[in-house]
Amino acid sequence: QKEVEQNSGPLSVPEGAIASLNCTYSDRGSQSFFWYRQYSGKSPELIMSIYSNGDKEDGRFTAQLNKASQYVSLLIRDSQPSDSATYLCASTLMDTGRRALTFGSGTRLQVQP
Amino acid sequence: DAGVTQSPTHLIKTRGQHVTLRCSPISGHKSVSWYQQVLGQGPQFIFQYYEKEERGRGNFPDRFSARQFPNYSSELNVNALLLGDSALYLCASSLGPGTVGEPQHFGDGTRLSIL
Repeated sequence: QKEVEQNSGPLSVPEGAIASLNCTYSDRGSQSFFWYRQYSGKSPELIMSIYSNGDKEDGRFTAQLNKASQYVSLLIRDSQPSDSATYLCASTLMDTGRRALTFGSGTRLQVQP
Repeated sequence: DAGVTQSPTHLIKTRGQHVTLRCSPISGHKSVSWYQQVLGQGPQFIFQYYEKEERGRGNFPDRFSARQFPNYSSELNVNALLLGDSALYLCASSLGPGTVGEPQHFGDGTRLSIL
């Protein structure tokens, strides 16, 4: 079982709709969670981080964390064609000496004009 | 402010050769991590350095090594290159490993192709 799992997609949504991206993790020692956006051929770009249960909003993006269910999600409101990319979910463990990111394989999002 | 800079951007090597990849972190960041990303997968952790000391190592063979310099820049070395080492190598910097929620910021990566 992979430590961080994502549906590979593609997830296709029409322009202006809400895109919902999901991620589950297996290690209960996971402490912080990150969403990165990666355009084809480019490096990952940080969108949001979350480490407390509940919702965290930043512009059109909302991250949700449910530690009891070991579930993280990213909502993108008013989706734009420029949001079409692969979205990577990542976690770090609770040990204090290291904060290596463990990534899922990513979900490809397609926003249709 | 400059972001994370990596060099070179592209590199072509043949099997058995060695390669050195370089990374300069964001100004003020003291921690550098290296990741390998093969096509269709998420990045895989290779090394993390903080204040010139190795703080973590992923599941990679001893052919992979790294170091961090006093100015916090870092090098990743790979010896005896294999075809399977073809990947995008990413460097990420952060303030340090001890802060909850501290994000890592990635450079543009070095695309390594092994022939």
